[in-house]
Amino acid sequence: GAGVSQSPRYKVTKRGQDVALRCDPISGHVSLYWYRQALGQGPEFLTYFNYEAQQDKSGLPNDRFSAERPEGSISTLTIQRTEQRDSAMYRCASSPGQGGTDTQYFGPGTRLTVL
Amino acid sequence: EDQVTQSPEALRLQEGESSSLNCSYTVSGLRGLFWYRQDPGKGPEFLFTLYSAGEEKEKERLKATLTKKESFLHITAPKPEDSATYLCAVGGGSNYKLTFGKGTLLTVNP
Repeated sequence: GAGVSQSPRYKVTKRGQDVALRCDPISGHVSLYWYRQALGQGPEFLTYFNYEAQQDKSGLPNDRFSAERPEGSISTLTIQRTEQRDSAMYRCASSPGQGGTDTQYFGPGTRLTVL
Repeated sequence: EDQVTQSPEALRLQEGESSSLNCSYTVSGLRGLFWYRQDPGKGPEFLFTLYSAGEEKEKERLKATLTKKESFLHITAPKPEDSATYLCAVGGGSNYKLTFGKGTLLTVNP
């Protein structure tokens, strides 16, 4: 079956522009997560959704970052007024249940480059 | 705060040379310890979940074990296609997030 998909796969933007990154989870998965991964590091948690409810946003670096999942399926991570330090791989994951011990399945990521 | 430390950072093996990767962790109320494999340019691919000390899981040439402080990923008679970065992560307490280590880059030479 189809896995987690993300778009775009690559995004190059200029400093100060807003970007929107999309995640399409595995069909029927209740939970959705956003992570950020720097080169040579493991993924770092950003935010978590249970259906459409954002239940944890403790990992979002600042208020320029926001995320939504309005219908409990597709999610969008938005970064406003991008800065060069926002350049990274942004990964989405989904799991079938409501977190806890569930396995998280990752997408291919979106490589964001801020010039 | 949950913490995960993986060692070594990089490991180079000859084909057929067995070895182990280490994942040391501190977590408040372990819900699960997860091993993932990551190939260059791709997302992490799930391998195993371990839930309690003493648990072991196997898949082909890989075997994962868990104690109260660490987990080992044993690789028996590796092949070049086992070359990848292996990531360890923990889920703990009431959080739903995973806390990852930095990974071990494994290279298996033919």
